[in-house]
Amino acid sequence: GESVGLHLPTLSVQEGDNSIINCAYSNSASDYFIWYKQESGKGPQFIIDIRSNMDKRQGQRVTVLLNKTVKHLSLQIAATQPGDSAVYFCAERSGDAGKSTFGDGTTLTVKP
Amino acid sequence: DGGITQSPKYLFRKEGQNVTLSCEQNLNHDAMYWYRQDPGQGLRLIYYSQIVNDFQKGDIAEGYSVSREKKESFPLTVTSAQKNPTAFYLCATEKQGATEQYFGPGTRLTVT
Repeated sequence: GESVGLHLPTLSVQEGDNSIINCAYSNSASDYFIWYKQESGKGPQFIIDIRSNMDKRQGQRVTVLLNKTVKHLSLQIAATQPGDSAVYFCAERSGDAGKSTFGDGTTLTVKP
Repeated sequence: DGGITQSPKYLFRKEGQNVTLSCEQNLNHDAMYWYRQDPGQGLRLIYYSQIVNDFQKGDIAEGYSVSREKKESFPLTVTSAQKNPTAFYLCATEKQGATEQYFGPGTRLTVT
């Protein structure tokens, strides 16, 4: 079956540094890739998405890069803050409308 | 949590009992989803509904049932047939044509 996975389950960075969270996927037919942030005990919150025909998309302090050749995407967070500490999930959407497949998540810890 | 209510936040049940988890939304979104999250893992899709009176099985539907009699409501019943029901259950909604899913605060179900 299709899968979405993250390279590292945990990531620890110093406040103010940039963070890079990676994700690999297997479905070549994915239409969209989406990043979510989940704080402890809460539901996930949408961060940013990228269509499969794009290589890069920028949001507020975040950038998502998509490399279709190696089926890899990354989420870059600039000037990481303590409030960025959370679990980050990548998800992919393909032709079956409404179904998103989630990866296992990377726990980001920001040290003061 | 953007207009999605899940109640209760914590739920305890004895093994062998059916239990229904509530999900209500006032976002006027057509699609609704139920996910299960186990510790340290990503979200797995249980059931989803793109329109009233219609729903589809997700990846792990066995032991669960749903109904969608109203646009605002998508209750999930965890039946006694579900072999390992203890988990964090998340309800989500999605506007038609969008990729972003809005998640509720979740219900943590413990079955002993």
